[in-house]
Amino acid sequence: QKEVEQNSGPLSVPEGAIASLNCTYSDRGSQSFFWYRQYSGKSPELIMFIYSNGDKEDGRFTAQLNKASQYVSLLIRDSQPSDSATYLCAVIRAGGYQKVTFGIGTKLQVIP
Amino acid sequence: GAGVSQTPSNKVTEKGKYVELRCDPISGHTALYWYRQSLGQGPEFLIYFQGTGAADDSGLPNDRFFAVRPEGSVSTLKIQRTERGDSAVYLCASSHGTGYEEQFFGPGTRLTVL
Repeated sequence: QKEVEQNSGPLSVPEGAIASLNCTYSDRGSQSFFWYRQYSGKSPELIMFIYSNGDKEDGRFTAQLNKASQYVSLLIRDSQPSDSATYLCAVIRAGGYQKVTFGIGTKLQVIP
Repeated sequence: GAGVSQTPSNKVTEKGKYVELRCDPISGHTALYWYRQSLGQGPEFLIYFQGTGAADDSGLPNDRFFAVRPEGSVSTLKIQRTERGDSAVYLCASSHGTGYEEQFFGPGTRLTVL
């Protein structure tokens, strides 16, 4: 079992729709959860981070964390073509200090 | 100030050669990380520095890989006897080093081993 699992996609959504990106992790003691966006040929950039169970909203983005189910998601409302990228889920395990484990990433395509 | 910088942006070498990849972190960031990203994969952790010391080098694949950060700022990733399987984008990131925080990535070095 991979430490961080994501569906590689591609996930295609029409412009203006809600994109839902999902991630599961294997270490129940994981502490911190991040969503990075990576455009093709570019380096990752942080979109959201979440530490506590529940929802965290920032503009069009909402991160959701359910530690009991070991599940973290990212919702993108009013999706735009510029949101087309690969979204990487990343986790810091308990006792892992700054060591971040990334998932494979989900490729999102927003269709105009 | 400026973001994380990495040099060279591209490196082509022959199998068996030695290469050095450089990372210049954001000024004031005490934590520095190296990752390797192959096509279609997420970044794979290699090593993490807190100041001058390697706090976690568990991701280095074998003893051909070594990294230093002698003055707590610039870091160099060194790969000996390169193999074709070492071809990847090598990413460097830095952070304040105060907790479970955002890491800022550099543009990466694309290494190609022929």
